[in-house]
Amino acid sequence: NAGVMQNPRHLVRRRGQEARLRCSPMKGHSHVYWYRQLPEEGLKFMVYLQKENIIDESGMPKERFSAEFPKEGPSILRIQQVVRGDSAAYFCASSPPSAIRETQYFGPGTRLLVL
Amino acid sequence: AQTVTQSQPEMSVQEAETVTLSCTYDTSENNYYLFWYKQPPSRQMILVIRQEAYKQQNATENRFSVNFQKAAKSFSLKISDSQLGDTAMYFCAFMRAAGGTSYGKLTFGQGTILTVHP
Repeated sequence: NAGVMQNPRHLVRRRGQEARLRCSPMKGHSHVYWYRQLPEEGLKFMVYLQKENIIDESGMPKERFSAEFPKEGPSILRIQQVVRGDSAAYFCASSPPSAIRETQYFGPGTRLLVL
Repeated sequence: AQTVTQSQPEMSVQEAETVTLSCTYDTSENNYYLFWYKQPPSRQMILVIRQEAYKQQNATENRFSVNFQKAAKSFSLKISDSQLGDTAMYFCAFMRAAGGTSYGKLTFGQGTILTVHP
């Protein structure tokens, strides 16, 4: 059973460009979470999605950031008009649809560098 | 809002010895979950151990065990027989139990860098 997949693993963008990060959850998992890890810091929650629904986006910056988890295909975290402060590691995690879904399994992360 | 605090930025231990990492948290919830995650140099986040707040028995996973003190809001991780492969950043994390609006959201501490020396 493949784990959580994220791509690309490394992404370099210039200021003002768009960054698109992809996350494929573990097989059978229908809950996806995105976290951001700034250098030398812990992970900070961004958004929690189920298929076609945003459940909790309390950690998402109000502007330039958006996330989706369509019925088919991976979850996408999109950052428009990137700035240097967006440079970070972005982790995706998934959990199963059962009533007990507290355990989240993490992907390897995408390292975004904004020049 | 919940907060998680790890007061030890760095710890070191000799191979085969035991080390304890500290974690405290603040919440008004009665039902919740606590986790320890490991992040080795590869930066992959790996679940080490999980504790349900309603269980009095401390969780154990092979060489890893926790000391969960609910009244004190303390959740320490003990690593026995330390191995070189245990060298990593360790994060303590909190999650509200089902039924809350922020269920599913993990709140992490700042992390503790553990170095195991040969």
